[in-house]
Amino acid sequence: RKEVEQDPGPFNVPEGATVAFNCTYSNSASQSFFWYRQDCRKEPKLLMSVYSSGNEDGRFTAQLNRASQYISLLIRDSKLSDSATYLCVVTLYSGGSNYKLTFGKGTLLTVNP
Amino acid sequence: DAGVIQSPRHEVTEMGQEVTLRCKPISGHNSLFWYRQTMMRGLELLIYFNNNVPIDDSGMPEDRFSAKMPNASFSTLKIQPSEPRDSAVYFCASSWGTGLLTSGNTIYFGEGSWLTVV
Repeated sequence: RKEVEQDPGPFNVPEGATVAFNCTYSNSASQSFFWYRQDCRKEPKLLMSVYSSGNEDGRFTAQLNRASQYISLLIRDSKLSDSATYLCVVTLYSGGSNYKLTFGKGTLLTVNP
Repeated sequence: DAGVIQSPRHEVTEMGQEVTLRCKPISGHNSLFWYRQTMMRGLELLIYFNNNVPIDDSGMPEDRFSAKMPNASFSTLKIQPSEPRDSAVYFCASSWGTGLLTSGNTIYFGEGSWLTVV
C-alpha cells in the first residue's frame, strides 16, 4: 500500500458545485496532515492544515479520520479559480528529531463555467 | 519578503552533462528540502537538511545525484552525469523547525527548476 494515496481524477465540475476529495495514508503513527494546492506549472502552496476535530476555512472544509486513516477536503460553491491540483500531505516521525513529509500525487480539479 | 529562490528556472542540457541547481531558502528557516516532481511519480523528497546538515538522503536516486548546503542561505543539487530520465521539475523548499510540520509551521516552495535532458 502506498504511503499516501489520492484519486488522481480528473474531477470536472460546474461552477457552484460541491466537490470532495479523499486521501488515505498507510502509517497510523502519522502526526500532522495538510492540503496543498498546485496550479498548473507552479509550485505547491499550503491550502489548509487538517485538525482532528475538522476545520473550515470559508468554502473549504477539511476532516481527519484517524481510525480509518483518511483525510478529506470539501469545496463548496466551487469557483473557476479553484481549478488546480490538490495535494494531500502527511508528516511522520522518522527517528531522532526528524520527520518525514510525504505528498500524495494529487487530485486534478477543473471547474467549468 | 523574498520567498525561496531557485535558479535556473529552466535548463535544457545534453545527456552526460553536469547540471547544478541552486537554492536560497527563506531567511531564518533552518530546514531545507529538495523535491523532484514528474507526472508518473508525483512529488518525491530527494534530500532534507536541518541546520545545514543532511538528515535524510534516502530519496536520492543514485550516485549521480549529490546535494550540499555549505551555509544557511545556500544549497545546491548536482546531477553528474545527467540522463534523459532526470527530466523533471526540481523544487527546493524551506521551513522553520526540525521538519515536523504543525499548524504553525509550514513548508514553502520555490518556483522550481524545470530540467530537460536530451
